[in-house]
Amino acid sequence: EAQVTQNPRYLITVTGKKLTVTCSQNMNHEYMSWYRQDPGLGLRQIYYSMNVEVTDKGDVPEGYKVSRKEKRNFPLILESPSPNQTSLYFCASSLTDGQGNYEQYFGPGTRLTVT
Amino acid sequence: RKEVEQDPGPFNVPEGATVAFNCTYSNSASQSFFWYRQDCRKEPKLLMSVYSSGNEDGRFTAQLNRASQYISLLIRDSKLSDSATYLCVVNPTFGQAGTALIFGKGTTLSVSS
Repeated sequence: EAQVTQNPRYLITVTGKKLTVTCSQNMNHEYMSWYRQDPGLGLRQIYYSMNVEVTDKGDVPEGYKVSRKEKRNFPLILESPSPNQTSLYFCASSLTDGQGNYEQYFGPGTRLTVT
Repeated sequence: RKEVEQDPGPFNVPEGATVAFNCTYSNSASQSFFWYRQDCRKEPKLLMSVYSSGNEDGRFTAQLNRASQYISLLIRDSKLSDSATYLCVVNPTFGQAGTALIFGKGTTLSVSS
């Protein structure tokens, strides 16, 4: 089954304790992305990756890191989490047909609470 | 900076009603447009792409008006299962895998019996 998986699905942590949220896709997509979703603010892009070893900042990259060492994996790293990073996080990967017509497949989401 | 704007709703309609959502975008060079559906606490899923000529998929019709920079979604014969949040999505980069997709904040639809 084609899917994007994220782990953990729920996480409660304390300020300053480094954490990693994993993301993996089995569709051989080159493009992957991380978003956060907050009430009243919608989905905002954190980082994206066009291919292995190619990453770039989205709209809200501060406080986050990513890596893309393998095509299927795109982990999100919070080196020193703070309460303002409490949010619902989605990983997504993308198919493209070279025509600008593509679909982003989203993972099930990770609900993070930083106290 | 409000690049993609949607009426947040909620739109409360009875079963069988026809409902329309509009979305405006600020970047006139935007090339690709989509509607995604998101159920409560779930991930967004593609509902339909929006093409220049407009497109229809069953009870759903999407229209693009480039001159006025807006996209619409029409749902006919609403079902209870249509209750969700509908996200308008714009990709300003043609032919690429979405370097910076811009999401609207979503319009919430509630269909009641």
